[in-house]
Amino acid sequence: GENVEQHPSTLSVQEGDSAVIKCTYSDSASNYFPWYKQELGKGPQLIIDIRSNVGEKKDQRIAVTLNKTAKHFSLHITETQPEDSAVYFCAARINAGNMLTFGGGTRLMVKP
Amino acid sequence: DADVTQTPRNRITKTGKRIMLECSQTKGHDRMYWYRQDPGLGLRLIYYSFDVKDINKGEISDGYSVSRQAQAKFSLSLESAIPNQTALYFCATSWTGGAADTQYFGPGTRLTVL
Repeated sequence: GENVEQHPSTLSVQEGDSAVIKCTYSDSASNYFPWYKQELGKGPQLIIDIRSNVGEKKDQRIAVTLNKTAKHFSLHITETQPEDSAVYFCAARINAGNMLTFGGGTRLMVKP
Repeated sequence: DADVTQTPRNRITKTGKRIMLECSQTKGHDRMYWYRQDPGLGLRLIYYSFDVKDINKGEISDGYSVSRQAQAKFSLSLESAIPNQTALYFCATSWTGGAADTQYFGPGTRLTVL
């Protein structure tokens, strides 16, 4: 089955700096890669996703890049703010009938 | 977003007790899921259901059972709780007609087994 590894497990940045979280996946058939943000005491919420037919997607301060050859994808957050502090999860899915496989999560701390 | 509710939000129980966690959603989504979250392990799928008559085991179904009482309700049971089932449990929903099968998560139930 699919295996997703996520790094780093914790990341501390200064407000205004950029943050990058990386994930690798094992199954080359995976074609959908969402990112979820989990704030304290809440369930994960989708913040951005990318399909295998594109290499990059942006939404304001967040962007996701995908390298299918290397089987890795990354989340980029620019101009970080204290409210970006949360746990972020990457995931991968082979097709609409298959389930999401999640990475282990990254705790991002943005220091004011 | 789907309005997904979970009850209880917190539960402390003893080894050997039977526990039921409940999930309800009001958005009419057909697919429902139960996940378990442990530190450093991300979210692992316990069971999932694509409609009322469909129940499927996930990655870590041993020691758990589920019931899909209606399209809007999906319950997770621990028949005889053990300490290593202490974790944060999430219910999620999605809609087959959605473009990317986005999953919407409930707020979670923190379960402690003593």
